[in-house]
Amino acid sequence: SAVISQKPSRDICQRGTSLTIQCQVDSQVTMMFWYRQQPGQSLTLIATANQGSEATYESGFVIDKFPISRPNLTFSTLTVSNMSPEDSSIYLCSVAGQGLTEAFFGQGTRLTVV
Amino acid sequence: AQSVTQLGSHVSVSEGALVLLRCNYSSSVPPYLFWYVQYPNQGLQLLLKYTSAATLVKGINGFEAEFKKSETSFHLTKPSAHMSDAAEYFCAVSDRGDTGRRALTFGSGTRLQVQP
Repeated sequence: SAVISQKPSRDICQRGTSLTIQCQVDSQVTMMFWYRQQPGQSLTLIATANQGSEATYESGFVIDKFPISRPNLTFSTLTVSNMSPEDSSIYLCSVAGQGLTEAFFGQGTRLTVV
Repeated sequence: AQSVTQLGSHVSVSEGALVLLRCNYSSSVPPYLFWYVQYPNQGLQLLLKYTSAATLVKGINGFEAEFKKSETSFHLTKPSAHMSDAAEYFCAVSDRGDTGRRALTFGSGTRLQVQP
């Protein structure tokens, strides 16, 4: 299994500002994923972050709004840029387990934009 | 494209009663299937997974699920509900990597309430 640490666990931000969320894994992993969970809803994949290449974004998500870094095999960041109240969500980092047969999740970052 | 349908956004059972949470999937290839649980203000915890071994999968906390290809279903059950089972449950599907997509597709979730 993989242990994932996300920082911050929660934050309240002013609209128009940006927040960078960090995801640290206790082992080297090839694939990391960022999900968004809007209030009372399910998880939606934002992007897949592979080390050494550009992140792959899902429909409806763009790099200018959600830039992602993946500098090595144990770390990634997601930035939520120019925030608005509609960005208030839980953002979760996830990694694929060995053999890609399961996924592990961080505790999430609860973001509130005011 | 993969999709997951969870029937019933809210399920309420009495303590000690059978828990049945429904999940149907759609996938162009034989999938991997998962059930996750999310307690309030926490991340997701894997309950169990199906990866083409036994069709009846046993997970943690007394939960199990049966993969039925003919019904494209992967319903989650527990014989006797406990108050601590109250949480949000998500069914998820992934392909086997054949299409290059390895992220999970989640259902809309089912909130389980357990009444004393």
